Amino acid sequence: GEDVEQSLFLSVREGDSSVINCTYTDSSSTYLYWYKQEPGAGLQLLTYIFSNMDMKQDQRLTVLLNKKDKHLSLRIADTQTGDSAIYFCAESRDDMRFGAGTRLTVKP
Amino acid sequence: NAGVTQTPKFQVLKTGQSMTLQCAQDMNHNSMYWYRQDPGMGLRLIYYSASEGTTDKGEVPNGYNVSRLNKREFSLRLESAAPSQTSVYFCASTWTGGGMNTEAFFGQGTRLTVV
Repeated sequence: GEDVEQSLFLSVREGDSSVINCTYTDSSSTYLYWYKQEPGAGLQLLTYIFSNMDMKQDQRLTVLLNKKDKHLSLRIADTQTGDSAIYFCAESRDDMRFGAGTRLTVKP
Repeated sequence: NAGVTQTPKFQVLKTGQSMTLQCAQDMNHNSMYWYRQDPGMGLRLIYYSASEGTTDKGEVPNGYNVSRLNKREFSLRLESAAPSQTSVYFCASTWTGGGMNTEAFFGQGTRLTVV
């Protein structure tokens, strides 16, 4: 099984909020990350959160961390069609482990 | 700066053939990684190298070998390709220190088909 788990698909309407959830297993992870992958491209870092934080906001992005439950979420406010992509949660240890990715589809 | 450069971008191999995927970064990162990406399985770590001269197995190392040739370069070798190794391969690099990986930079990927 994977160390980092995410649901595979999410579909929202343009203008709505999107919430992508992730659970991880390693409580010693110092940083947790969200990456975005557009078709045919590599991954790009969207945002990250330090493990002693509960929340981080960056423009339309809000990251919530529940360290007790090892649960991480990414909220995208006012979702646009350009946000359609695959979003990966990752935890940082000696290596970097990624979830399976959530494919976000934004319908006009 | 070029960032992370992977070659080739596409490759078709016959079962049993060998090949080496090349990766180079120009950001002075100490950590480098090889991942494979398969539908519905996300990125799975094959091998990583935390510093020049060291390599460690990831989640799915079987059938692969790696070489950290120097700080810049980290190659992935398939000695005897199998259809199960058909995938998209990504190289990545970060600076690791103080318990943190800084932003990982990814190459554009190598789409490998084994027939």
